[in-house]
Amino acid sequence: AQKVTQAQTEISVVEKEDVTLDCVYETRDTTYYLFWYKQPPSGELVFLIRRNSFDEQNEISGRYSWNFQKSTSSFNFTITASQVVDSAVYFCALTRTGGFKTIFGAGTRLFVKA
Amino acid sequence: DTEVTQTPKHLVMGMTNKKSLKCEQHMGHRAMYWYKQKAKKPPELMFVYSYEKLSINESVPSRFSPECPNSSLLNLHLHALQPEDSALYLCASSQGRGGSGANVLTFGAGSRLTVL
Repeated sequence: AQKVTQAQTEISVVEKEDVTLDCVYETRDTTYYLFWYKQPPSGELVFLIRRNSFDEQNEISGRYSWNFQKSTSSFNFTITASQVVDSAVYFCALTRTGGFKTIFGAGTRLFVKA
Repeated sequence: DTEVTQTPKHLVMGMTNKKSLKCEQHMGHRAMYWYKQKAKKPPELMFVYSYEKLSINESVPSRFSPECPNSSLLNLHLHALQPEDSALYLCASSQGRGGSGANVLTFGAGSRLTVL
């Protein structure tokens, strides 16, 4: 069975603070994809990153960075110097390679205060 | 502008009404999805169409009836819904299996449904 756990329900930070959103996953598949999606108050989920299970390289995109560690089944997401516009619900997700079913974590609601 | 367009944005219907939600994409994606999202919950998969054929039905009640008229359009027909069906209904699309963007979901803004 596949499962994604985001233990942090809500996080509140002050603008310019760094914040890390945790994601732990379970799967018996040897090949899979991990994702992060952002859902701002407007409601539309926006794709942020996809990581192949074979690729453990960390990735940085502007203020966003992702740390994938297969040994601990974790795929954590860090926002550096947070901004009010980062306020949203962030979902970590998992899909079997070649499959259509994406398993979402419960989401972490991030509040960034000015 | 979103590349997946959903209409209507809001819908209020009675339990005896028949209505439809519509979704359109012009990215050439060959997989289309319906998700249901309740407040403060993650999206839950309802249906997947791959190359216009129903590929996944997550044991959704028959009062929800999907339709994929062509590769760009996806409908969700609603009939005899219950108040607990009130939710945000999200349409998404992705490239077909094996594509470089495989499994990357592009979502629409959603249709917020209220059943009275």
